[in-house]
Order: sequence, then C-alpha cells, then structure tokens
Amino acid sequence: DADVTQTPRNRITKTGKRIMLECSQTKGHDRMYWYRQDPGLGLRLIYYSFDVKDINKGEISDGYSVSRQAQAKFSLSLESAIPNQTALYFCATGQGYGYTFGSGTRLTVV
Amino acid sequence: DQQVKQNSPSLSVQEGRISILNCDYTNSMFDYFLWYKKYPAEGPTFLISISSIKDKNEDGRFTVFLNKSAKHLSLHIVPSQPGDSAVYFCAARDAGGTSYGKLTFGQGTILTVHP
Repeated sequence: DADVTQTPRNRITKTGKRIMLECSQTKGHDRMYWYRQDPGLGLRLIYYSFDVKDINKGEISDGYSVSRQAQAKFSLSLESAIPNQTALYFCATGQGYGYTFGSGTRLTVV
Repeated sequence: DQQVKQNSPSLSVQEGRISILNCDYTNSMFDYFLWYKKYPAEGPTFLISISSIKDKNEDGRFTVFLNKSAKHLSLHIVPSQPGDSAVYFCAARDAGGTSYGKLTFGQGTILTVHP
C-alpha cells in the first residue's frame, strides 16, 4: 500500500457542486498538507495541519475547507466548485526534512 | 509574493551532458532546501536536499549547490539520462516560528533529456 493515498484519482464535477477529496497516510506523521498544482504556478499550499487540533490556511485557501478526522486522515472540500479550481491536487505528509506526496487527484470543474 | 522562484519553465539537454536547474529565494528564514522530481500521473518524490550551513551536497549523479549570499541554489545532473526527463521542483523550508517545517515550492522546471 502507498504511504499516502488520495481518492479519487480523477473527478469531473459541475460548477456549484460540493466535492470532497480524501487523503490518508501510513507514515505516522502529525503534519499533513494540501497543495494544488497549476501549469507555470508550481505547487501552492492550500491548507496544512500540524496535528489533529491544528488547522492553518495556506496561500490560496479561499473557496476551500479541510477536516482533520484523525492523525492519518486529512480531507479537502470545495464548498461550491468553480472552473478555476480545475487543477491537480496533492496531499502530503512530513516533518520538514522532506514530504511524502500522494499520487494526486485530477479535478475538472465544468 | 513568490518566495521561491524557478525562472526557467523548461530545459532541454542531450543525453550524457550536464543539466543545470536553477532556483532563487527571497526569505532569509529558509534553513533547508530540497529538490523534488515529478513524473506525469505521479506525485512529487524527494530527490536531494541541502542544509543552509552547507554549500554543496552530492548524491550519485545529482549535486545541489547553495549560495546563501545570492539566495540561489542549483541542481546539477551529470551525466543526464532520458529517464531524468520530468518536472523538477525546488522547495525551501521555513525555520520561522509557527511556520517551522512548512515547505514553499517553486514553479517547477520541465527537463527533457534527448537520446
């Protein structure tokens, strides 16, 4: 099994719909992160969590929310999806000496 | 405000030659720097890192150089191989206060190594 598992791998949704992306990890780390990748913009941090009770906004949190259900689980929600949220989303875990990333969720909002 | 910048969106190199990928940063609180490699349909994977107290770190064909005064780091791949073709991300770790451990990534550079 992968160290960081993201579901779904691909998703097409309609504008205005609520969607949740899920992430689970088996590394045992307290820290988890959600990033978004867009061409030419690299990986931008959406939200991060240093432990179950600690949630922090990243540089592009507007339009997103997160839930840290357990040490191993960190989900990302788009409350009302819009087309410019079409992107590749990555979950990661790690302590700062290097993250382990999931394989990503390709989200398309039509 | 882009604190970590990779100004070259793409780089094309012949097999066997050296690939040099560059990265600049602006935040003096960064204390650790990393390079990640990403293939299509996969997540980024850790490649090599360097502490701010060093100026060079080698791992096989990969060497990372850090110039703190210029706030610049580079990744050298020698010799380049077709399997090195991927997107390379530079990342920097924040040593400051409540943000400690958070990584900031650059835009990425697409490396293509031609046979």
